Amino acid sequence: QKEVEQDPGPLSVPEGAIVSLNCTYSNSAFQYFMWYRQYSRKGPELLMYTYSSGNKEDGRFTAQVDKSSKYISLFIRDSQPSDSATYLCAMNSPLSGGYQKVTFGTGTKLQVIP
Amino acid sequence: NAGVTQTPKFQVLKTGQSMTLQCAQDMNHNSMYWYRQDPGMGLRLIYYSASEGTTDKGEVPNGYNVSRLNKREFSLRLESAAPSQTSVYFCASRTTGGLGEQYFGPGTRLTVT
Repeated sequence: QKEVEQDPGPLSVPEGAIVSLNCTYSNSAFQYFMWYRQYSRKGPELLMYTYSSGNKEDGRFTAQVDKSSKYISLFIRDSQPSDSATYLCAMNSPLSGGYQKVTFGTGTKLQVIP
Repeated sequence: NAGVTQTPKFQVLKTGQSMTLQCAQDMNHNSMYWYRQDPGMGLRLIYYSASEGTTDKGEVPNGYNVSRLNKREFSLRLESAAPSQTSVYFCASRTTGGLGEQYFGPGTRLTVT
């Protein structure tokens, strides 16, 4: 079983729709929960992060973490064609010596249709 | 600041050929990483360097070697390329501690025929 599971999609929605992207995880040592956005033929870039259960909002984006269920979500409100990208969840766990290991989900490809 | 830069952007190799992928960052980050990204597999860590002078294997190190040339530069070498190494390669860097946000380069698309 993978430490992080993510539905690969693709997910296709009309412009203005609410999008829900999800990941589940199995490692209780994960401390920080992140969402990266990757446009086609580009490197991933950090979109949002959180480290506690609950919601964190940034504009049209809301990151939600439920540590008891080991489940994280990213919601996109009023989705725009410019949101079309692959979204990767990522999680940190501590290693010895103060270093951290980052585990990525496989990514969900989102297409927002005008 | 350029962030993380990678060269080359594209490369086609024949089986058995060797090449080095170059990566440099100008953010004074301690840690640097090499990933490969394949459809359905996500990002897989090949090697990482937690600080200048150290390197460690990641999830899929076989067939690769790395050199942390200095704090800015981290190169990935394929000694004898195989078709299974056809992939998109990303270099990333981050500072130590805290969130651990990684900053990625634009990637190198490698095809091995």
